[in-house]
Amino acid sequence: DAGVIQSPRHEVTEMGQEVTLRCKPISGHDYLFWYRQTMMRGLELLIYFNNNVPIDDSGMPEDRFSAKMPNASFSTLKIQPSEPRDSAVYFCASSFEGEAPLHFGNGTRLTVT
Amino acid sequence: SQQGEEDPQALSIQEGENATMNCSYKTSINNLQWYRQNSGRGLVHLILIRSNEREKHSGRLRVTLDTSKKSSSLLITASRAADTASYFCATDARTGGFKTIFGAGTRLFVKA
Repeated sequence: DAGVIQSPRHEVTEMGQEVTLRCKPISGHDYLFWYRQTMMRGLELLIYFNNNVPIDDSGMPEDRFSAKMPNASFSTLKIQPSEPRDSAVYFCASSFEGEAPLHFGNGTRLTVT
Repeated sequence: SQQGEEDPQALSIQEGENATMNCSYKTSINNLQWYRQNSGRGLVHLILIRSNEREKHSGRLRVTLDTSKKSSSLLITASRAADTASYFCATDARTGGFKTIFGAGTRLFVKA
């Protein structure tokens, strides 16, 4: 069974550009989480969805960040415009009924120059 | 802010030795989990202990939970070089929805 799939694995972009990160959760999982990992702040929960509906976006740092889940098998995290301080590894995770464990993708390493 | 805080931040041991990592948290929890992260990869779930449990075993892993002290420990026995990774505790709070909050992690290095 395929795990959580994220793309791209690496993204390098210039400040001011739009960045879109993609995630395909495990089939049948009804919860999807976006996390950001940095050395300074560790793993931060940005937003999570239940049955494609955003439930809590209190961790989204600014209005430059937006996330969507148009269907049960796809979610995007968009940053527009991007800034150097957005450089981090972004993880998507999914779970069944919100219960542990979370299943993580391998992340997208974003570098904004 | 992070719910769980690990101690130590980094740990270096010889193969065959035991590794102990500690985690403290702040609020009442439903359960506490431990995850492992290899360099450049996502986190992988290792073990979950519920708030009404005190100890749990899985292979070479032993987890304890003390809810009165709001702390947990992860023991890896007979460590191997392949255990080299970062280890994170994570908690699901009793309130606030389905949020799993992670600690800062312990970086474990096992020397062959």
